[in-house]
Amino acid sequence: KNQVEQSPQSLIILEGKNCTLQCNYTVSPFSNLRWYKQDTGRGPVSLTIMTFSENTKSNGRYTATLDADTKQSSLHITASQLSDSASYICVVSSGVRGNEKLTFGTGTRLTIIP
Amino acid sequence: DAMVIQNPRYQVTQFGKPVTLSCSQTLNHNVMYWYQQKSSQAPKLLFHYYDKDFNNEADTPDNFQSRRPNTSFCFLDIRSPGLGDAAMYLCATSRDGVAAQETQYFGPGTRLLVL
Repeated sequence: KNQVEQSPQSLIILEGKNCTLQCNYTVSPFSNLRWYKQDTGRGPVSLTIMTFSENTKSNGRYTATLDADTKQSSLHITASQLSDSASYICVVSSGVRGNEKLTFGTGTRLTIIP
Repeated sequence: DAMVIQNPRYQVTQFGKPVTLSCSQTLNHNVMYWYQQKSSQAPKLLFHYYDKDFNNEADTPDNFQSRRPNTSFCFLDIRSPGLGDAAMYLCATSRDGVAAQETQYFGPGTRLLVL
């Protein structure tokens, strides 16, 4: 059964600090891995999309890593800001065009405090 | 400018009274998706359209239907809403399918309340 597990469930850090969110997956066949940011009451916004051959990808202060061998990914946030408070969702895409499947993690709820 | 628009943002309906949620996009994307998201849970895909081809998830209740009359618009019809259908409904689009590494663009969602 395809699964995406995220940890921690929730995290509180001080503004300006760094943090790392984890994602483990058992999805096959693997197509790509995505990280989304979802503000409360809003739709998710794509941060990164990584394929099997990519180890790291950055989007501003967000850096995602992927280890396809161990089926793990992480999202590192540098110099956190209050606006980073949101849920971060890891999503793995599997299958081929026309028969695609997205498996969502339940997210990490990040709170940045001043 | 908003690229994926959902109306209304908030919808209140009565138990068993049909309701329609709408989604429109200005991106001219081929694929449109409907998700259901309950509090503190991940979005759950209900169905998606690849152009006019309709793809229903196996566990989507029969109570949920969808229409895509043209490229820009997609509707979610809930024929007889139950209390358990109260949730945020998210519409998303992508130029091609997710296996093609295309970015999904989500709308702001419609929050449905069933009384």
